[in-house]
Amino acid sequence: NAGVTQTPKFQVLKTGQSMTLQCAQDMNHEYMSWYRQDPGMGLRLIHYSVGAGITDQGEVPNGYNVSRSTTEDFPLRLLSAAPSQTSVYFCASSYSWGPNYGYTFGSGTRLTVV
Amino acid sequence: DAKTTQPNSMESNEEEPVHLPCNHSTISGTDYIHWYRQLPSQGPEYVIHGLTSNVNNRMASLAIAEDRKSSTLILHRATLRDAAVYYCILKTSYDKVIFGPGTSLSVIP
Repeated sequence: NAGVTQTPKFQVLKTGQSMTLQCAQDMNHEYMSWYRQDPGMGLRLIHYSVGAGITDQGEVPNGYNVSRSTTEDFPLRLLSAAPSQTSVYFCASSYSWGPNYGYTFGSGTRLTVV
Repeated sequence: DAKTTQPNSMESNEEEPVHLPCNHSTISGTDYIHWYRQLPSQGPEYVIHGLTSNVNNRMASLAIAEDRKSSTLILHRATLRDAAVYYCILKTSYDKVIFGPGTSLSVIP
C-alpha cells in the first residue's frame, strides 16, 4: 500500500527550464491537490482536482499547470521555472472533496531553481 | 487567509500531556475541524478530525468547545517523536482548504 508517491524527491533547475513533478496515488481517491511550502510558512494551495478531467486553481496558481487524465495521477508542470518557485512541493489526496475526509500527503519534492 | 489561529510555538516536557489550542471564531455549522502534523523533513500527516463531539484515536484526542469557536488537540503523553508543526484547519463543504503556519511543538527531554 504505497499511498501517495511523489517523484523526484529532489530537483535542481535552471531559470527558464521546464519540468513535471509527478504525483500518483493508489487509494482510488477522487480529490488530489498540490501545495507548496516555503521556509517558516504554512502550505499554500496551487491547484486541485475533484476527479479525472476536472481541475481548478488554488491560492497561488501562476506559473503552474495541471491536468488529471486518470484518477491515479496528478502531475504538476512548471513551464518556465523561476527562482521564486524554489520550494518544497507536496501532493495530497482524499477519498472525497467533502469535509469529513482527511488528506494523505506525499513525502514532497524539494525544488531549487538557480 | 487561514480561517484558524494558533500560537506560533509551544514547549512541553517529555511524558507530560500537551494541549494545543486553535481558534476558529468564524466557523460555520458544516465545517469540520481537522488536525495534521508535520515532522521535520516530512510531509504532513493526518492526526484527527471532528465536527461537534470530542474525538479520540490512537494518536490524540480532540476537544471541541460547545460553541465550536475553538478546539484543543490533546497529546496524552508527549514523546520526543511528537516534536513537529501542528496544523489546525477547517474543512468546509467542497471548498479550498487553507493551511496557516501552525504551532511548532518542542518536546524537552
